Amino acid sequence: DAGVIQSPRHEVTEMGQEVTLRCKPISGHNSLFWYRQTMMRGLELLIYFNNNVPIDDSGMPEDRFSAKMPNASFSTLKIQPSEPRDSAVYFCASSLNGINEKLFFGSGTQLSVL
Amino acid sequence: GENVEQHPSTLSVQEGDSAVIKCTYSDSASNYFPWYKQELGKGPQLIIDIRSNVGEKKDQRIAVTLNKTAKHFSLHITETQPEDSAVYFCAASTTGNQFYFGTGTSLTVIP
Repeated sequence: DAGVIQSPRHEVTEMGQEVTLRCKPISGHNSLFWYRQTMMRGLELLIYFNNNVPIDDSGMPEDRFSAKMPNASFSTLKIQPSEPRDSAVYFCASSLNGINEKLFFGSGTQLSVL
Repeated sequence: GENVEQHPSTLSVQEGDSAVIKCTYSDSASNYFPWYKQELGKGPQLIIDIRSNVGEKKDQRIAVTLNKTAKHFSLHITETQPEDSAVYFCAASTTGNQFYFGTGTSLTVIP
């Protein structure tokens, strides 16, 4: 298996623009997670899905952030409008089934909002 | 929620020596403790994990120990090699709940 696949690897955008990050989880994994990593706050869970249904989105910073999982093999994280403080590395991860299981992370998207 | 503290934040060792990273947690209900290795430009990768019904687990040069009474767990890497240089994160979670990650330890193995 190719592992968790994220795109793009790098995204540079201007404040106010819409940003869409994409993720393909490992085939057969039922749970998908979006994390944000910054020097100040470390690894933060933004939202997680189980069987394509959002279970916990309490980590989503504000209404500018939204996430979808239309099917078992694809998820998006959207920021609209983006702000400089959104600059971070965003990771997608998947697990076989549930939140208390081994997580497999993608390579991340380095987002820079100017 | 859970609070995970990790020490040290940086660690340098000579190749061949051992490295130890320690974490403490606050929620006595935590029952799953994974360790992740993150290399530059990559996502965290699971290297070893332990559940609360086990006190120690080994995998070749890597071992993790858990002391539930004291609420701390440690990562031990023996015979370190340059390729062990990376940032290591501990985490703790309870059944049905998210991982809480430590702040990371940057390990440098000096050849």
